[in-house]
Amino acid sequence: GAVVSQHPSRVICKSGTSVKIECRSLDFQATTMFWYRQFPKKSLMLMATSNEGSKATYEQGVEKDKFLINHASLTLSTLTVTSAHPEDSSFYICSARDESGHYNEQFFGPGTRLTVL
Amino acid sequence: DQQVKQNSPSLSVQEGRISILNCDYTNSMFDYFLWYKKYPAEGPTFLISISSIKDKNEDGRFTVFLNKSAKHLSLHIVPSQPGDSAVYFCAASDSNTGKLIFGQGTTLQVKP
Repeated sequence: GAVVSQHPSRVICKSGTSVKIECRSLDFQATTMFWYRQFPKKSLMLMATSNEGSKATYEQGVEKDKFLINHASLTLSTLTVTSAHPEDSSFYICSARDESGHYNEQFFGPGTRLTVL
Repeated sequence: DQQVKQNSPSLSVQEGRISILNCDYTNSMFDYFLWYKKYPAEGPTFLISISSIKDKNEDGRFTVFLNKSAKHLSLHIVPSQPGDSAVYFCAASDSNTGKLIFGQGTTLQVKP
């Protein structure tokens, strides 16, 4: 199946710093990628839809100035958590849609554990 | 507003028996449903899906049933194996947006 990678897998940072997380589709091109956040023992919450070559679409309640998304190529989307605070600590997961497959199928990356001290 | 609900947070089953995981949804615009398996600190892994034009899809030990009138779907795993122990998420999507809306997840434990 399609492979999606994320980097880094784990990051610890100080409060007030910015952290960038990369999401790559390794063997397919993805016009659309998605960013999710998962709190402990909770569901995956869709944060935003990342569209190659255009602005991301954010879900209600997600601060677009806080979570900057860039989708500069068909295989790479980045999420930057700006001025991170402890409440931003979470598990962030990206997914990518394989355009050659079913429209609604998404392949997920392994996730990034962010801890803000 | 929880559009996709998995009301059972956990399920324990004996190895070899059937595991049945349930999921309910409220949005009638959803036309595609998926089940994912997830281990802690990993991304979800796709298991099986079903289109709203079908009521059953089978893949090996996994079968998904869809009851559109009840807005209910279920995942059957038979026979269950200890390696099936994980968190299972159901997700729903509509073709207009392509977004996936996830349920809360059900933790399945298969005992040897």
